[in-house]
Amino acid sequence: EAGVAQSPRYKIIEKRQSVAFWCNPISGHATLYWYQQILGQGPKLLIQFQNNGVVDDSQLPKDRFSAERLKGVDSTLKIQPAKLEDSAVYLCASSFGDRDPEAFFGQGTRLTVV
Amino acid sequence: AQSVTQPDIHITVSEGASLELRCNYSYGATPYLFWYVQSPGQGLQLLLKYFSGDTLVQGIKGFEAEFKRSQSSFNLRKPSVHWSDAAEYFCAVGGTSYDKVIFGPGTSLSVIP
Repeated sequence: EAGVAQSPRYKIIEKRQSVAFWCNPISGHATLYWYQQILGQGPKLLIQFQNNGVVDDSQLPKDRFSAERLKGVDSTLKIQPAKLEDSAVYLCASSFGDRDPEAFFGQGTRLTVV
Repeated sequence: AQSVTQPDIHITVSEGASLELRCNYSYGATPYLFWYVQSPGQGLQLLLKYFSGDTLVQGIKGFEAEFKRSQSSFNLRKPSVHWSDAAEYFCAVGGTSYDKVIFGPGTSLSVIP
């Protein structure tokens, strides 16, 4: 079974630039999560989708972060403009949701903002 | 609101010794509980999960965890630690009705040869 795919694996940008991350969840998984993991900390939930609708985005800095999940499958997370404190690993995860909330994670995208 | 605490930031144990990592959670209903492990530069791997039934759950790599509702705890244990167990361990809580999965801050495990 294919896992959660994320790209790119690494990205270095200058502050004030924009960046986008892509995630392809496991087939059949209705729930998709984006987490931010700063070095030395636990993953922090940014946004949760159920199919193509947003369930929770209370921790998403909406002045600079945006996310979408078109057609309830792939998702993109965008940062515009980036700040130094956005340097982190961005993890995408998916699950069956209500039927089974176990989250399966991708390898993540390591973002460095300089 | 959901929350997870892991009281121990860092633990060091000798190879072959037993291990217990603590996890306490706050959740308004019956929780779904998870332990994940993350090695340096790697993604998160599920060790075990509790949904219902037997409160002692077995996972991969010889790990087990016990759900204690009265103490709101879900501690992870291993009877004999191997050097390859050195990693970051995260406890997480979720629920039904599409509740989000929330992670604790993690416990870093070092293993002395």
